[in-house]
Amino acid sequence: KQEVTQIPAALSVPEGENLVLNCSFTDSAIYNLQWFRQDPGKGLTSLLLIQSSQREQTSGRLNASLDKSSGRSTLYIAASQPGDSATYLCAARTQGGSEKLVFGKGTKLTVNP
Amino acid sequence: EAGVVQSPRYKIIEKKQPVAFWCNPISGHNTLYWYRQNLGQGPELLIRYENEEAVDDSQLPKDRFSAERLKGVDSTLKIQPAELGDSAVYLCASSLEGTSGYREQFFGPGTRLTVL
Repeated sequence: KQEVTQIPAALSVPEGENLVLNCSFTDSAIYNLQWFRQDPGKGLTSLLLIQSSQREQTSGRLNASLDKSSGRSTLYIAASQPGDSATYLCAARTQGGSEKLVFGKGTKLTVNP
Repeated sequence: EAGVVQSPRYKIIEKKQPVAFWCNPISGHNTLYWYRQNLGQGPELLIRYENEEAVDDSQLPKDRFSAERLKGVDSTLKIQPAELGDSAVYLCASSLEGTSGYREQFFGPGTRLTVL
């Protein structure tokens, strides 16, 4: 059974700082891994999707990496801004049989002005 | 292009009452998902549809939950009767599945259910 863990559960940084959010998964047989952003009381916004054959994806100030062999993914946010404050969730798409996204509990990020 | 649409956004009901949630996926997306998100947790899959067929409902509490996706487009999730523990956010997502493509899932804003 796939389990996804995100560390830390919460993170507070000053504006302008570069930061890394961590995601680990127990079963390396994944189809892809998705990073989402969730603002309070809102749904999930897809940020980046990394296919199992890829090592990283970039979008603007965001960079996500994937290391299947070690069961890890990281989301790097450059030059953080107060508008980046939200909860970030990673989700691993399982392969075969019951294909589904298995989510971590998220990291709540606060960027202080 | 419109995203995933859900209604209502909020619902407050007494326990033992029925409740229904509606979802309209992104146009052309053949796969639709219902997730439940408890406070402080990540979403958990309840049911997945490919077109009209429910291909994974193993996590759906079938004694009180039901879902349908008529004509392979809109979907309705129903709870009857609701219990206090059903209070959560119910999220709908859709994706375009096939032999190729990234299978990226797109989520709606969710319905926040409070059972009193």
